[in-house]
Amino acid sequence: DAKTTQPNSMESNEEEPVHLPCNHSTISGTDYIHWYRQLPSQGPEYVIHGLTSNVNNRMASLAIAEDRKSSTLILHRATLRDAAVYYCILRDVTPGNTGKLIFGQGTTLQVKP
Amino acid sequence: DGGITQSPKYLFRKEGQNVTLSCEQNLNHDAMYWYRQDPGQGLRLIYYSQIVNDFQKGDIAEGYSVSREKKESFPLTVTSAQKNPTAFYLCASSAGQGDYYGYTFGSGTRLTVV
Repeated sequence: DAKTTQPNSMESNEEEPVHLPCNHSTISGTDYIHWYRQLPSQGPEYVIHGLTSNVNNRMASLAIAEDRKSSTLILHRATLRDAAVYYCILRDVTPGNTGKLIFGQGTTLQVKP
Repeated sequence: DGGITQSPKYLFRKEGQNVTLSCEQNLNHDAMYWYRQDPGQGLRLIYYSQIVNDFQKGDIAEGYSVSREKKESFPLTVTSAQKNPTAFYLCASSAGQGDYYGYTFGSGTRLTVV
């Protein structure tokens, strides 16, 4: 399974944009980039995913480098409720593969009032 | 509302006992997964099932067992063979393995050996 590398922690001020980076230099053509976040003592929550093009949804945006070796999750205006551990995960969806998610350590985001 | 229900939320086990963690989903999802999370760590895959009556070992299956007799249910048994069972256990489900199928997670069961 291809690996991802994320900073252990990041800080942001409330109502400012946050850019969470993820490196995945060994990504294969069939790997999708998924982001999840986990609040303390809760299960992870799906945030966004993409393959090659940038993606937007109501929670966040995902910017994917042209060579796909890195990506950035963008929270446009951080709130205190966005303080969580953010996981960047590669998911192989080759037919016959399980498509299981392999979690790394993630980035702990602190949001300051 | 559809979702995944894990029970109990907290569970205490004496050494040498087997315990079973419940996971039920009403999302009509085919695939279900069990993860373990230790303090300050990411999630590690224990077992997964892509269809009823079939399941596969994940990365840390030793000391655990599962069954998948119904689509809605995927219980996890922590056996006495699991040497360090104290952890946060998370169940998840997915409609399939394609890219557009995200995971839905339950709220977890915190197991403590006393």
